[in-house]
Amino acid sequence: DIQMTQSPSSLSASVGDRVTITCRASQSISRYLNWYQQKPGKAPKLLIYAASSLQSGVPSRFSGSGSGTDFTVTISSLQPEDFATYYCQQSYNNPQTFGQGTKVEVK
Amino acid sequence: QLQLQESGPGLVKPSETLSLTCSVSSDSITSSSYFWGWIRQPPGKGLEWIGSMYYSGSAYYNPSLKSRVTISVDTSKKQFSLKLNSVTAADTAVYYCVRGPAAGTWPFDYWGQGILVTVSS
Repeated sequence: DIQMTQSPSSLSASVGDRVTITCRASQSISRYLNWYQQKPGKAPKLLIYAASSLQSGVPSRFSGSGSGTDFTVTISSLQPEDFATYYCQQSYNNPQTFGQGTKVEVK
Repeated sequence: QLQLQESGPGLVKPSETLSLTCSVSSDSITSSSYFWGWIRQPPGKGLEWIGSMYYSGSAYYNPSLKSRVTISVDTSKKQFSLKLNSVTAADTAVYYCVRGPAAGTWPFDYWGQGILVTVSS
């Protein structure tokens, strides 16, 4: 199985901050990398697919980059509604696997 | 706007079969452009892919569950289902049904709200 490792596991930030979350795959996954946002008690929501494509309706302050084994998602200016847990997911091969999550908390 | 809705028992006894259904609000379930699947999340933990089914009828399952899981699609009812047999307490989780485009990087672009299934006697 491909292991997905996110860092950090949690971070504290303030509204307006630039936030970057990293995801590393245990082997090359090309650009088969998707990012999700999950708020407490809610289903995850697709933010970014194919490493850098913004899902329809997702604010442009979110961006993704990377290929191969190293990927990032960046929030350019953190908004109150962005405090949540973020997951990366590889769809390069089965079993599809997720990172352990990064919780973005209020500083 | 597509909607997915999970249904089924919230409590299952150990060694029995967990059966869930996902109702799809549109005819996209008949389209070859999408795949349908299930993901679960134990309380307070991360996400685990259970399996996905494609229009061709091909199904792919997580090897960690493969011997116990079956996903099927009923296009006439606009539903797809999950069966997980011989459950234990480790199968207690919120179960999400999902859809994704059968192209590109196959992200899960639509999710149901999730249903908590507890395995307990």
